[in-house]
Amino acid sequence: GENVEQHPSTLSVQEGDSAVIKCTYSDSASNYFPWYKQELGKRPQLIIDIRSNVGEKKDQRIAVTLNKTAKHFSLHITETQPEDSAVYFCAAKGRGSTLGRLYFGRGTQLTVWP
Amino acid sequence: EAGVAQSPRYKIIEKRQSVAFWCNPISGHATLYWYQQILGQGPKLLIQFQNNGVVDDSQLPKDRFSAERLKGVDSTLKIQPAKLEDSAVYLCASSLLGGRAEETQYFGPGTRLLVL
Repeated sequence: GENVEQHPSTLSVQEGDSAVIKCTYSDSASNYFPWYKQELGKRPQLIIDIRSNVGEKKDQRIAVTLNKTAKHFSLHITETQPEDSAVYFCAAKGRGSTLGRLYFGRGTQLTVWP
Repeated sequence: EAGVAQSPRYKIIEKRQSVAFWCNPISGHATLYWYQQILGQGPKLLIQFQNNGVVDDSQLPKDRFSAERLKGVDSTLKIQPAKLEDSAVYLCASSLLGGRAEETQYFGPGTRLLVL
């Protein structure tokens, strides 16, 4: 099956700085890569996703890049704000026998200091 | 549009007891997922239903976990008997199509289970 590695596990930045979280995946057939934000005690919420036929996608302060050759994708948050503090999860969706199961990384705890 | 609903939100039981969780997906969503999220880790899929049929239960510990989605809408997940290592948040999610579709999965608020 798919294996998703996520780094770093914790990330602290000053308000206004940028934050980058990186993920790698093992199954070259994976074709869909969502990112979820989970605030303490709340449900994971999709913040951005990217499909394998696209190299980059941006939504206001959030962007995701995908390198299919290297099998890695990254989340970029610019002009960080304290409300960006949360745990961020990357995921990859396979196309093989798993019938589209989402495999999640272990998460990155982002803390934005005012 | 109403989101994914789950109950209860919290449950504390002793080991060897049984427990059941309920999920109501977003109306019209064909696919329903149950995930287990252990503290400090990402969600791990336990079982996936498409309508009322099981699509993937390869990660479900079938000796103690069971799940059903009888009418293709609501679902229940049961643990019997519970072990200490079952302490986790159980998340339900749904998506419109499922399968290999590149679509969003919407999560419920989860049930936080503590086994003593």
